[in-house]
Amino acid sequence: DVKVTQSSRYLVKRTGEKVFLECVQDMDHENMFWYRQDPGLGLRLIYFSYDVKMKEKGDIPEGYSVSREKKERFSLILESASTNQTSMYLCASRPEGAAGEQFFGPGTRLTVL
Amino acid sequence: TQLLEQSPQFLSIQEGENLTVYCNSSSVFSSLQWYRQEPGEGPVLLVTVVTGGEVKKLKRLTFQFGDARKDSSLHITAAQPGDTGLYLCAGGYHPNTGNQFYFGTGTSLTVIP
Repeated sequence: DVKVTQSSRYLVKRTGEKVFLECVQDMDHENMFWYRQDPGLGLRLIYFSYDVKMKEKGDIPEGYSVSREKKERFSLILESASTNQTSMYLCASRPEGAAGEQFFGPGTRLTVL
Repeated sequence: TQLLEQSPQFLSIQEGENLTVYCNSSSVFSSLQWYRQEPGEGPVLLVTVVTGGEVKKLKRLTFQFGDARKDSSLHITAAQPGDTGLYLCAGGYHPNTGNQFYFGTGTSLTVIP
């Protein structure tokens, strides 16, 4: 069974803290993505990576950074968490190919107090 | 700015009824995907359509890609409580600009037994 796992299902942090969200996939996919999901806004892409050490900004990268040191692992970093970053964060991976299926992790619900 | 607008945003129906969910854009997409997301889980792919006018059926679900590849619809016949969930459409450009899919705003469906 293909799998994308995320390090935490729920996380509570304080304003100004540095936050790390980890994502691991076991499908040897080239592409990995970080989204945030907010009611009425659907999924919005924060960053994606198409190869090790490569990263591209998505639609809402401000306040976030990412790291991909190994093919299977893609980390999202909130440099200084703010209350407007309270959200559901979803990681996904996808094989190379034009219309490939994205496989999602279960999500991390982050609350910033 | 949302590239893909879904309607309705919320839908609550009785078991056995039929329903249609719409996904509209002013942009032309090379492919369009539909996902279903259940509470506490990540989205799971239902179908990918790539040809204008294409119709795909998945048991009681019928998906259509508009002739101009700007819109899509999902029709569910004889809805069941197991169909409850958040339905998301996602459009992709190919060759990929940034290798990403743009997600719609989502339709939350509740089927009442």
